[in-house]
Amino acid sequence: NAGVTQTPKFRVLKTGQSMTLLCAQDMNHEYMYWYRQDPGMGLRLIHYSVGEGTTAKGEVPDGYNVSRLKKQNFLLGLESAAPSQTSVYFCASSYLGLAGVRYNEQFFGPGTRLTVL
Amino acid sequence: RKEVEQDPGPFNVPEGATVAFNCTYSNSASQSFFWYRQDCRKEPKLLMSVYSSGNEDGRFTAQLNRASQYISLLIRDSKLSDSATYLCVVLDMGRRALTFGSGTRLQVQP
Repeated sequence: NAGVTQTPKFRVLKTGQSMTLLCAQDMNHEYMYWYRQDPGMGLRLIHYSVGEGTTAKGEVPDGYNVSRLKKQNFLLGLESAAPSQTSVYFCASSYLGLAGVRYNEQFFGPGTRLTVL
Repeated sequence: RKEVEQDPGPFNVPEGATVAFNCTYSNSASQSFFWYRQDCRKEPKLLMSVYSSGNEDGRFTAQLNRASQYISLLIRDSKLSDSATYLCVVLDMGRRALTFGSGTRLQVQP
């Protein structure tokens, strides 16, 4: 099993450009998440999904959109990139998710390092 | 005030030392607690959950004090391979959200 994979690993954008980050998991997890990690800030939740076709906003959703058309994939889009979106983006997935009776571990992808000039 | 606060460190300790990290959280509705480990430029990985009664996993011991709203992680007999950043994580079921601390960096030296 590959676990959680992210594409691309690195990307440099100019202000105003758009791009899509792809997250894929092969563990049949229901829940998927997108986080960003900035120095001294910890990971912050951007958007999450509790199942195919459903998405919800996290702590810092502005400037991002997401889609979950297939259970195994969770896409994060930047329509008009800004320098403030320079960050490391992590995708994660879990089985029962946060609403389950028993919490299940979140598995993270290797991250995407994005620089916006 | 951050919801989850940790001393950023770095904690520089010799091999074999015992080291302890603390973490405080501000939301009294928080329901579950975890320690994650993150190696340099890698993804976070679950180290252990933290239970109310305290729990051990080998050289690692986690404690929770709900009254004072803090969590601790004790590492005994430190190894070089323990060098990493340790993230304190709090789950709020009401908001369906994990909140991460910014991490405490540990450097174990030979």
